[in-house]
Amino acid sequence: DAKTTQPNSMESNEEEPVHLPCNHSTISGTDYIHWYRQLPSQGPEYVIHGLTSNVNNRMASLAIAEDRKSSTLILHRATLRDAAVYYCILREQGAQKLVFGQGTRLTINP
Amino acid sequence: DTGVSQNPRHKITKRGQNVTFRCDPISEHNRLYWYRQTLGQGPEFLTYFQNEAQLEKSRLLSDRFSAERPKGSFSTLEIQRTEQGDSAMYLCASSLPTGELFFGEGSRLTVL
Repeated sequence: DAKTTQPNSMESNEEEPVHLPCNHSTISGTDYIHWYRQLPSQGPEYVIHGLTSNVNNRMASLAIAEDRKSSTLILHRATLRDAAVYYCILREQGAQKLVFGQGTRLTINP
Repeated sequence: DTGVSQNPRHKITKRGQNVTFRCDPISEHNRLYWYRQTLGQGPEFLTYFQNEAQLEKSRLLSDRFSAERPKGSFSTLEIQRTEQGDSAMYLCASSLPTGELFFGEGSRLTVL
């Protein structure tokens, strides 16, 4: 499975945008970029995914570099409820399982 | 609640005892996954089912671990002769084919 690299931790303030980076220099052409997050004492939850183009949904935006070797998850206006561990995962087209790394622990300051 | 349900939420057992966890997936999902998560680490894949067929097993799943999904609905994960190293959160997830995974809240195992 192709690997991703994320910072261990990040900190931001409430109501400010947050940019969570992910490097995936060995990504293949059929790998989708998935983001999940895990709130304290809960299982992971899906946030967003994309292949080449930038993606937006109600939770976040995903900005994918033109060479696809990196991506950024954007929380437009962080709230205290966004404090979680965020996982960037590469999932080959048609693959079933997800392979999690250690993720980025995001702290939101009031 | 139509999400993934796991029971029990917490289990404390003595070393050498057997434990069983149950997972009830979202009803229309034919894929079911088991993961294990230790403190400070991301979830580690254990196994997954397509309907009742167990299609992939991780090397982490030793001979003491067995998972079943009879009739392609709920699943059980049994750990025999538990060891202290088995202490972890056991997560279940379900999905449609290649769809996003929906996780339960997990079953926390403590082996004394």
